[in-house]
Amino acid sequence: DSGVTQTPKHLITATGQRVTLRCSPRSGDLSVYWYQQSLDQGLQFLIQYYNGEERAKGNILERFSAQQFPDLHSELNLSSLELGDSALYFCASSVEQGGYGYTFGSGTRLTVV
Amino acid sequence: DAKTTQPPSMDCAEGRAANLPCNHSTISGNEYVYWYRQIHSQGPQYIIHGLKNNETNEMASLIITEDRKSSTLILPHATLRDTAVYYCIGLRDRAGSYQLTFGKGTKLSVIP
Repeated sequence: DSGVTQTPKHLITATGQRVTLRCSPRSGDLSVYWYQQSLDQGLQFLIQYYNGEERAKGNILERFSAQQFPDLHSELNLSSLELGDSALYFCASSVEQGGYGYTFGSGTRLTVV
Repeated sequence: DAKTTQPPSMDCAEGRAANLPCNHSTISGNEYVYWYRQIHSQGPQYIIHGLKNNETNEMASLIITEDRKSSTLILPHATLRDTAVYYCIGLRDRAGSYQLTFGKGTKLSVIP
């Protein structure tokens, strides 16, 4: 157990639907990062939050959004889902902005049918 | 952040040392070299990082050349559980935010 908790572990949904992925960072970590890993793209950085504020954006689609709450947990919202959004979504946390070493969760496997 | 180049795959016999090379010829003076690995579809796992000096921890050793253009991750006694994709990442220590950018990595297969 890495200390980063992601729920749900698996999610199957239909095209056009909206889902929310949840991440609880490791205790004491203020930064949360979201990554997407699909078969043909590898690990892609989506977005980072630090202590409730958005800090950096990567290759995140406009249909996707995220937020970090006062208790530091984060949610990634994916809407108008397409077949190509099927992927593993990982959350990572670190102490500082970037810090020395991320701790990743075990991921949420999203399947869009 | 520096672009890194790694061989796509390597084999290593169980019990032997696994030496995974990484080229980062464009690395700048304040960029760290980080190593992560991903076992099957699990979340990536931090292994080790360094700036100039060689580093060792309970998982591995990191050897950085004097000119810092390349490095080698050493797993001293590889086991079957070390079979994974290993990522070498250059990361600049800058104020504000910085994110790990993963390349394709090296797929290490430990063979019985």
